[in-house]
Amino acid sequence: GDSVTQMEGPVTLSEEAFLTINCTYTATGYPSLFWYVQYPGEGLQLLLKATKADDKGSNKGFEATYRKETTSFHLEKGSVQVSDSAVYFCALSDSGNTPLVFGKGTRLSVIA
Amino acid sequence: DTAVSQTPKYLVTQMGNDKSIKCEQNLGHDTMYWYKQDSKKFLKIMFSYNNKELIINETVPNRFSPKSPDKAHLNLHINSLELGDSAVYFCASEGASGNTIYFGEGSWLTVV
Repeated sequence: GDSVTQMEGPVTLSEEAFLTINCTYTATGYPSLFWYVQYPGEGLQLLLKATKADDKGSNKGFEATYRKETTSFHLEKGSVQVSDSAVYFCALSDSGNTPLVFGKGTRLSVIA
Repeated sequence: DTAVSQTPKYLVTQMGNDKSIKCEQNLGHDTMYWYKQDSKKFLKIMFSYNNKELIINETVPNRFSPKSPDKAHLNLHINSLELGDSAVYFCASEGASGNTIYFGEGSWLTVV
């Protein structure tokens, strides 16, 4: 079945450092890909998404490019802030209202 | 062993019925969640329990009632089902600070 693998955390970075959280997937079809974020004490939020190969999703300085050839959707940010400290989830979903398939999440801590 | 299991995985039912979705986690976590996934893959938090105590209760119709008989279980009961309740519902659990969050596979509810 479909699955998502993302790098294990926790990841600790200094403020203004470059962030990469790796995510790879396996899927039988052509899924849409997502990054979700959960800030402390809050529910999960959609951070960005891409629906087809070579699409780039971006939001709040974060970016991820749908790479079909490497089945990857790595999350990047050029300069992280303390406020980016959260748990990040990579996910995929086939078309329609099919359930999301989540990675295990990566906890990011950014220190000043 | 499945860390977070929810049943049923698929449920088709008629308007007006009452149904329950069950969730169990075997991770020893204190915190459990219910999320609703909409057709655009947005995840809306509905409820959060910590050690059987309600922590987050977002604005959802009072037809939705969570029940936590013990900290390993968080069930979702829905009265008088409506067409708009059709969605995928995710259960999740979280351990102490520093742990990641584990999602169930989702329960796909269709109200006809």
